[in-house]
Amino acid sequence: QQQVKQSPQSLIVQKGGISIINCAYENTAFDYFPWYQQFPGKGPALLIAIRPDVSEKKEGRFTISFNKSAKQFSLHIMDSQPGDSATYFCAASKGAAGNKLTFGGGTRVLVKP
Amino acid sequence: NAGVTQTPKFQVLKTGQSMTLQCAQDMNHEYMSWYRQDPGMGLRLIHYSVGAGITDQGEVPNGYNVSRSTTEDFPLRLLSAAPSQTSVYFCASSQGGPQFFGPGTRLTVL
Repeated sequence: QQQVKQSPQSLIVQKGGISIINCAYENTAFDYFPWYQQFPGKGPALLIAIRPDVSEKKEGRFTISFNKSAKQFSLHIMDSQPGDSATYFCAASKGAAGNKLTFGGGTRVLVKP
Repeated sequence: NAGVTQTPKFQVLKTGQSMTLQCAQDMNHEYMSWYRQDPGMGLRLIHYSVGAGITDQGEVPNGYNVSRSTTEDFPLRLLSAAPSQTSVYFCASSQGGPQFFGPGTRLTVL
C-alpha cells in the first residue's frame, strides 16, 4: 500500500507553461515533504522541500503548496523550460529531515519547445 | 568531494548468484540508505544505517543484507539473486538534512 500517492504519471507542457504535480499522503506523522528531480541515468536530486508549518514555499520557478488538513501537497513549475524535462518525485518522512523517505510513484514531465 | 559513489554501474546476474553493490561517501555523513527504483513505484527503502555498526530494515528488506563497518562505506549484498530483484539501486547519505543520492546501479537478474 503506497503511503504517498502521486499524480499524474506523466504530463506534457509547452515551453512557458505551468506544470502541476500533486501528491497525497496518509501518515499524519510525516513532517518533512521534499521534491526530487531525476534526469535519465542519474540519481534523484533535491529540488525543494517544505515542512507542515507553512502553506507555501517558493524557490525561483518552483513552488510547493501544502494543505495539511487535506494531507496533500503539490509542485508547481512556472515558466516551464525544456531543461525541466525530467522525472519528479514527491516524498515524505518523519523525524530528522530526509531520513527514511517514502516516495511517490513519480511524474515524467516533458516540456515541448 | 566525489559525493556518493556507487559501483558497478551495470550488472547482469543469473538467478541464484550472489553479489555486493558498493556505496561510498566522502562527506562524513552518519546516515546512509539503500533504495530500489522500479517503474511506477518510485523509490523504496531497502535498508538504512544511522552510523557505523548500526543498521535497520526499511520497507523492502527481504533478500538483501547490509553492514556498516565504517562511516564511509555501506555495501548491499544480494545473497541469492532472483528476477524480482531486477531494478535500479540507489545509495544515499545525509547528515540531518537532505539526502544526497549516488548515480545508481542497474541490476538485471536472468
